[in-house]
Amino acid sequence: DQQVKQNSPSLSVQEGRISILNCDYTNSMFDYFLWYKKYPAEGPTFLISISSIKDKNEDGRFTVFLNKSAKHLSLHIVPSQPGDSAVYFCAASPPNAGNNRKLIWGLGTSLAVNP
Amino acid sequence: KAGVTQTPRYLIKTRGQQVTLSCSPISGHRSVSWYQQTPGQGLQFLFEYFSETQRNKGNFPGRFSGRQFSNSRSEMNVSTLELGDSALYLCASSRGLAGESVEQYFGPGTRLTVT
Repeated sequence: DQQVKQNSPSLSVQEGRISILNCDYTNSMFDYFLWYKKYPAEGPTFLISISSIKDKNEDGRFTVFLNKSAKHLSLHIVPSQPGDSAVYFCAASPPNAGNNRKLIWGLGTSLAVNP
Repeated sequence: KAGVTQTPRYLIKTRGQQVTLSCSPISGHRSVSWYQQTPGQGLQFLFEYFSETQRNKGNFPGRFSGRQFSNSRSEMNVSTLELGDSALYLCASSRGLAGESVEQYFGPGTRLTVT
């Protein structure tokens, strides 16, 4: 059972427009969330993160919003560029359980930004 | 600073064989995590090593094993290979345990094909 869900396997957006990637989680105890971007033939690279004490974190064109009551977070890319075309993974970190804390990953959303 | 390196990059094996993959983390990073990525399953966590000790383990059979050396380099071994083991195997390093650190740094992966 997926604890972190990215329900849209793919998304297509026009260059210059906003890309919105969504992520839902089931465990209200998750307290840290991260987004990673992955290009083909490369490992994922860290993009942006957010702690559960915040509801928004911004870094340049990338903004992550967290809605704890809905157990939902979203990544906004504005404006979208062709180079943003990649697979985006959402990951969540459960609260510290001794040494057993580990990241829980979504299945990813493939974003295509069309020129 | 050199990134995470994985060797080999590509590997072709036949069913029943065993394989060993290698990962060298970023200098100073003590945690190494291994992931399996397949098209339909996203990033599946295999295990995490920290200071030569396995700290976390995913839901994979005992055919999948790993170890970490005193210099933090890690190896992953898969015995009695099955066709379903064909995947991209990713290694990620971080300063502390994956769930506690801000981010993990991924290597380019080893593409394993089992025929």
